[in-house]
Amino acid sequence: AQSVTQLDSQVPVFEEAPVELRCNYSSSVSVYLFWYVQYPNQGLQLLLKYLSGSTLVKGINGFEAEFNKSQTSFHLRKPSVHISDTAEYFCAVTRTGTASKLTFGTGTRLQVTL
Amino acid sequence: GAGVSQSPSNKVTEKGKDVELRCDPISGHTALYWYRQSLGQGLEFLIYFQGNSAPDKSGLPSDRFSAERTGGSVSTLTIQRTQQEDSAVYLCASSSRGMTGRETQYFGPGTRLLVL
Repeated sequence: AQSVTQLDSQVPVFEEAPVELRCNYSSSVSVYLFWYVQYPNQGLQLLLKYLSGSTLVKGINGFEAEFNKSQTSFHLRKPSVHISDTAEYFCAVTRTGTASKLTFGTGTRLQVTL
Repeated sequence: GAGVSQSPSNKVTEKGKDVELRCDPISGHTALYWYRQSLGQGLEFLIYFQGNSAPDKSGLPSDRFSAERTGGSVSTLTIQRTQQEDSAVYLCASSSRGMTGRETQYFGPGTRLLVL
């Protein structure tokens, strides 16, 4: 089985500051990794995903994430956040080569203020 | 094009009643998933359909929960004899294929269920 840990339930940050949202996973098999964002009263939207190749993945809205296999981490970063980035962020994994049901972390609430 | 749609957007029911939640996937998507999002349990997988294959029901929490997918498109999640702990947001997602894990799942806006 796979599991995902998002240690930070909430991350407050000022606008234009950098941010990092942490994600660690556990799995006995190889996985694909995803970050989704959920704006208030909306469904989930894919930010980015790591499948293979370069460990630095760039996504939408200026976000990027780095896959670190030795540390089993997939932290999400943005160099300068905007008020509109305020949302819930979910890290997720799925086993490679099989039906792609997602296992999610508990989410991190990013609160951007002026 | 149109995304995943779900209906109703909100549902309030009384304990013990049955409810049906509907999901319309993106046209042409063969894989369809149901997830549940609740305060206590976070985001949980419920059930997965892929084409005409038997569904993966491994995430259904009890036999009160069932789902079907008619004609490989629209899906209905049914909860019988609802309990207060069933209160949650039920999310549907679809993807173009579901056999490798690489596919992006596109989520609908969810149905917010409140059991009184």
